[in-house]
Amino acid sequence: EPEVTQTPSHQVTQMGQEVILRCVPISNHLYFYWYRQILGQKVEFLVSFYNNEISEKSEIFDDQFSVERPDGSNFTLKIRSTKLEDSAMYFCASTQGGGGRSTQYFGPGTRLTVL
Amino acid sequence: AQSVTQLGSHVSVSEGALVLLRCNYSSSVPPYLFWYVQYPNQGLQLLLKYTSAATLVKGINGFEAEFKKSETSFHLTKPSAHMSDAAEYFCAVSDRNYGGATNKLIFGTGTLLAVQP
Repeated sequence: EPEVTQTPSHQVTQMGQEVILRCVPISNHLYFYWYRQILGQKVEFLVSFYNNEISEKSEIFDDQFSVERPDGSNFTLKIRSTKLEDSAMYFCASTQGGGGRSTQYFGPGTRLTVL
Repeated sequence: AQSVTQLGSHVSVSEGALVLLRCNYSSSVPPYLFWYVQYPNQGLQLLLKYTSAATLVKGINGFEAEFKKSETSFHLTKPSAHMSDAAEYFCAVSDRNYGGATNKLIFGTGTLLAVQP
């Protein structure tokens, strides 16, 4: 069964460093999402992406964050200058269709630890 | 703004007992509703979703949920718990009337289900 994959599974970085989290969505999916979950808190939406541009973003997704689909398979989330409060589990998701009824398929997540 | 509330961050049941995980939503228009499960060290997996007039929704692994508009609820149930059901369960909502290309999920805080032998 096709699945969303994410690398790395765990990333440790120093405050102020740049990190890139990578996701490979399901191959025929067209809509992509990033969410994060700070330890002990709820899963929060960060950004959605379709047709090579951001479709929607949350207040969390400030200028320090960016997303890119550099080729036909990868979808990346970059944090330019990490802060302690960026420590969280980051989930990538993809859907085949748009709209609210489409099932979002999630990857296993990347645990980001900022020291 | 839409939101979901999950009552009970931790629920413990005995193997073979009924599982009931509660979810209430807040929305001016009945939204689309989802239940996801997260096993340790894994991603979120869809259990079931409500997107149509059928108010009783059956999902994988014997779970089902009933949409009750009058109670703004979408509780998850399973008649008989198995040890393998131990996981974290998330209720989520998306906007039925959102006109954008993509449609984010808004999650509840999750309920950790423990199953005792």
